[in-house]
Amino acid sequence: DTAVSQTPKYLVTQMGNDKSIKCEQNLGHDTMYWYKQDSKKFLKIMFSYNNKELIINETVPNRFSPKSPDKAHLNLHINSLELGDSAVYFCASSQGVGFTYNSPLHFGNGTRLTVT
Amino acid sequence: KNQVEQSPQSLIILEGKNCTLQCNYTVSPFSNLRWYKQDTGRGPVSLTIMTFSENTKSNGRYTATLDADTKQSSLHITASQLSDSASYICVVTPRGGSYIPTFGRGTSLIVHP
Repeated sequence: DTAVSQTPKYLVTQMGNDKSIKCEQNLGHDTMYWYKQDSKKFLKIMFSYNNKELIINETVPNRFSPKSPDKAHLNLHINSLELGDSAVYFCASSQGVGFTYNSPLHFGNGTRLTVT
Repeated sequence: KNQVEQSPQSLIILEGKNCTLQCNYTVSPFSNLRWYKQDTGRGPVSLTIMTFSENTKSNGRYTATLDADTKQSSLHITASQLSDSASYICVVTPRGGSYIPTFGRGTSLIVHP
């Protein structure tokens, strides 16, 4: 299946821990993203990578570190987790460089992170 | 500040009925507006896209309209089905800068049999 897949789907952890979320896309897209969907349901961009290069970093705490080993993968590592990090994190991809008119975002199914 | 406001926040309708969801935005200058459908536990999926010059766009039972002068869009769903139960998100992309889209909060639609 052609898709954006992210793992794990659920992640429950304690404050202070470090965790990673993995994302892979087999759509051949050049740009990948991480979005955070908070309790109010707004989707907010965190990072965007084009061909392994960071192109958007939206004032995210430096506890969050994305890593793109190749253009098909964009992982998210979070250090020293805090209660406020609890949210659903979505990986997405699109054709072209960054946000372009004719390319919708293709989202994964999300990772629900709960920090206790 | 770019904003996208959607109404109603939630909507319950009976199967087979029509409904209209609203989106107002302040994004300017404006490049395009998309409607996404997000099923529970899934990521959003694009339904339609409209540019400044387009007034209406259909995708099956979904019809989106755009009034760029008043900065309003609507998504009309005809003959609703149970599978239409989802959150519908309006997303507006600015023209210029980094073109980062602004997401609305979404309208949660529940279709009852």
